[in-house]
Amino acid sequence: DTGVSQNPRHKITKRGQNVTFRCDPISEHNRLYWYRQTLGQGPEFLTYFQNEAQLEKSRLLSDRFSAERPKGSFSTLEIQRTEQGDSAMYLCASSPGGRPGYTFGSGTRLTVV
Amino acid sequence: GESVGLHLPTLSVQEGDNSIINCAYSNSASDYFIWYKQESGKGPQFIIDIRSNMDKRQGQRVTVLLNKTVKHLSLQIAATQPGDSAVYFCAENTPRASYDKVIFGPGTSLSVIP
Repeated sequence: DTGVSQNPRHKITKRGQNVTFRCDPISEHNRLYWYRQTLGQGPEFLTYFQNEAQLEKSRLLSDRFSAERPKGSFSTLEIQRTEQGDSAMYLCASSPGGRPGYTFGSGTRLTVV
Repeated sequence: GESVGLHLPTLSVQEGDNSIINCAYSNSASDYFIWYKQESGKGPQFIIDIRSNMDKRQGQRVTVLLNKTVKHLSLQIAATQPGDSAVYFCAENTPRASYDKVIFGPGTSLSVIP
């Protein structure tokens, strides 16, 4: 296992299109998190999964955003009808619990044109 | 509300010197404070954490100091190397019912001058 894997690394899409990102966490980690990071800012929490259950969603996650973790392993984050304001780095992280801090993936950089 | 912020957005240091990165926080409910390093094109990487009931913790070339009286956190990097050039985030770990939520500050960009 080489860590948290995110695909694609980069995505350019036209405004109004739908996009989906994938995250593969570290295999033994049951906790999975999505964050969004804009240039020059720290990552902002979006949502959290424990196994397949989505236990918290930020108010940043509008109705156009949906995240799933169907089998408690990989997760997907979908953005519908993308807007230019959605342009950001989307980071996924995982943790086993019991200790603070997460292991982050390298992120998916989304550019909406 | 909750917030974690930094005093300085950028810091330049000479290679071999020590670096000090500062952070102010406002939420006293956090049980841990964490420092992350983020290199260009990568996700944040965990460096070191400190429990809220501690004042100091040392790692390899790094030391974190916590002053709860003034809600201040600092990261000291000894003998700074070019590979230390990155953005550094302080973050607070806030326990929730079923997990730990990590809240990040805006970051300090460290540049090491060879």
